[in-house]
Amino acid sequence: SQTIHQWPATLVQPVGSPLSLECTVEGTSNPNLYWYRQAAGRGLQLLFYSVGIGQISSEVPQNLSASRPQDRQFILSSKKLLLSDSGFYLCAWSNGGKFGNEQFFGPGTRLTVL
Amino acid sequence: DQQVKQNSPSLSVQEGRISILNCDYTNSMFDYFLWYKKYPAEGPTFLISISSIKDKNEDGRFTVFLNKSAKHLSLHIVPSQPGDSAVYFCAGRIQGAQKLVFGQGTRLTINP
Repeated sequence: SQTIHQWPATLVQPVGSPLSLECTVEGTSNPNLYWYRQAAGRGLQLLFYSVGIGQISSEVPQNLSASRPQDRQFILSSKKLLLSDSGFYLCAWSNGGKFGNEQFFGPGTRLTVL
Repeated sequence: DQQVKQNSPSLSVQEGRISILNCDYTNSMFDYFLWYKKYPAEGPTFLISISSIKDKNEDGRFTVFLNKSAKHLSLHIVPSQPGDSAVYFCAGRIQGAQKLVFGQGTRLTINP
């Protein structure tokens, strides 16, 4: 069966510090991978998605970047965090699916920028 | 531009009654709609979906209805149970795309 891992689970970082969040998927190959952010009281905003190694699509201009160094690894980074980067970050995977590209989400990372 | 809208931020329902969660969309290019359920501090879990060529899909206590002319879909949960208390997101998939567009979510509270 497939599983998706995210770490760390929680993170408190000062403004201006770098960021690296990691997501890995097991039990499937060549998945589509996604990074979302849920800000307090807001919906799910798609930040990046990737359909293959080294292929990254950015959905919104921002202070963040993403990379996919391996087939089942997706990394979200920032060189200098802003207060507005605080939120709940979710990684998801999909393999086309039989229910309309249903995506399966990881447990999330709670990021607080102080 | 909010392509998928959930206009009710919250909904409170008595246990055992029917919960109806609503979602409106503006993009006619959506070919699938999906509903997700999310507990606090956890990732969303997939519940049920419907193809744009259908008007109803049922799975146990969950039924999704699609009204294409009104660009409206709804999720019915009956009977509602305390464990259904969560935030529910609807999402649309643009035909041919590899991504979903989510609504803002509706917080459902089931009262005993």
